[in-house]
Amino acid sequence: DTAVSQTPKYLVTQMGNDKSIKCEQNLGHDTMYWYKQDSKKFLKIMFSYNNKELIINETVPNRFSPKSPDKAHLNLHINSLELGDSAVYFCASSQNSAKEPLHFGNGTRLTVT
Amino acid sequence: GDSVTQMEGPVTLSEEAFLTINCTYTATGYPSLFWYVQYPGEGLQLLLKATKADDKGSNKGFEATYRKETTSFHLEKGSVQVSDSAVYFCALIKTNAGKSTFGDGTTLTVKP
Repeated sequence: DTAVSQTPKYLVTQMGNDKSIKCEQNLGHDTMYWYKQDSKKFLKIMFSYNNKELIINETVPNRFSPKSPDKAHLNLHINSLELGDSAVYFCASSQNSAKEPLHFGNGTRLTVT
Repeated sequence: GDSVTQMEGPVTLSEEAFLTINCTYTATGYPSLFWYVQYPGEGLQLLLKATKADDKGSNKGFEATYRKETTSFHLEKGSVQVSDSAVYFCALIKTNAGKSTFGDGTTLTVKP
């Protein structure tokens, strides 16, 4: 199936730990994104990569570090996790066109205890 | 900066009722407009889109018309079903590989 897939689906960890979320798309898209969705369902963009180059870097703590080894993959590493990092993190991809929509993964629910 | 304002939820309707979810936007230039739907436990998926003024997007009985004069893109459906219960997001994008701007989402619950 063509899709955006991210792993893991659930991530429960303690404060202070370091964790990673992986994302892969097989849609041939040039642009990939990380979004954070809070408990009220508000969506906030965190990062965007176009052909492995960082093009959007919103006001995100530098504990969050994205890495794009190739244009089909975009991973998110989080250091020193805090309670406020608990959220659902979505990976998305799109063609390099303002007329085309985002394609989202099914999300990673991160719970920091 | 660009912004999208959606009707606040939650919205609760009976099956077969008429649905309208209002969406207005503020943006310079000529953005493309989208409605996304998020079912429980899933990611957002495209519901419909319109890329220029007066375009009408439609899918699964939902419709929305890009109105530049009122900067609006209201979502409508003539007869909702229980399976339409979800969170609906209005969004815009202006540039290639640019940032999509999302509304705050509207939660719809349809009761049998």
